Amino acid sequence: GENVEQHPSTLSVQEGDSAVIKCTYSDSASNYFPWYKQELGKRPQLIIDIRSNVGEKKDQRIAVTLNKTAKHFSLHITETQPEDSAVYFCAASRNGGATNKLIFGTGTLLAVQP
Amino acid sequence: GAGVSQSPSNKVTEKGKDVELRCDPISGHTALYWYRQSLGQGLEFLIYFQGNSAPDKSGLPSDRFSAERTGGSVSTLTIQRTQQEDSAVYLCASRQTVAETQYFGPGTRLLVL
Repeated sequence: GENVEQHPSTLSVQEGDSAVIKCTYSDSASNYFPWYKQELGKRPQLIIDIRSNVGEKKDQRIAVTLNKTAKHFSLHITETQPEDSAVYFCAASRNGGATNKLIFGTGTLLAVQP
Repeated sequence: GAGVSQSPSNKVTEKGKDVELRCDPISGHTALYWYRQSLGQGLEFLIYFQGNSAPDKSGLPSDRFSAERTGGSVSTLTIQRTQQEDSAVYLCASRQTVAETQYFGPGTRLLVL
């Protein structure tokens, strides 16, 4: 079935360093890849997304890259700050299909040490 | 405007009891999803509603789980004869018809004793 693998499960960085989270998806028909940030006890919030017709997208300190051939996509956070500490989830979906349901990775707990 | 809301925020129940969880989507959003988030896990798709179409129930883990969406707005997820493994956070999300972004509610934290 459809599957999204996410690595690493935990990531600790020093404030100001960069953080990279990687995901691999199995459904080659997936065409939409959002990233959600979930702070402890809060709802998941969309931070950035990318569509399959684009290889890279950047929004200030956050960027996402997509390699359709390898079915990989990654989240890059530069100049990390303590408020970046949270669980990050990648997801993939087949938009335009019957459901557009999101298939989520298992999450990465990012800890930014001040 | 108001985001997705869910109630109750927390629910503690005894094994074997039925529970109902409620979701109020963003006004005008025709698509509504239920997901389950178990401790330390990602979000698992449960069910999807789109307008008046038949729902996609492919993610429901057993026939103890059911959901309704009345009037194309509010949705209720019902779990019958709850089991301890049903303990999780149940999240609702909604989306505009032609948009991709799903907006999540705060979730209902269910604990089955």
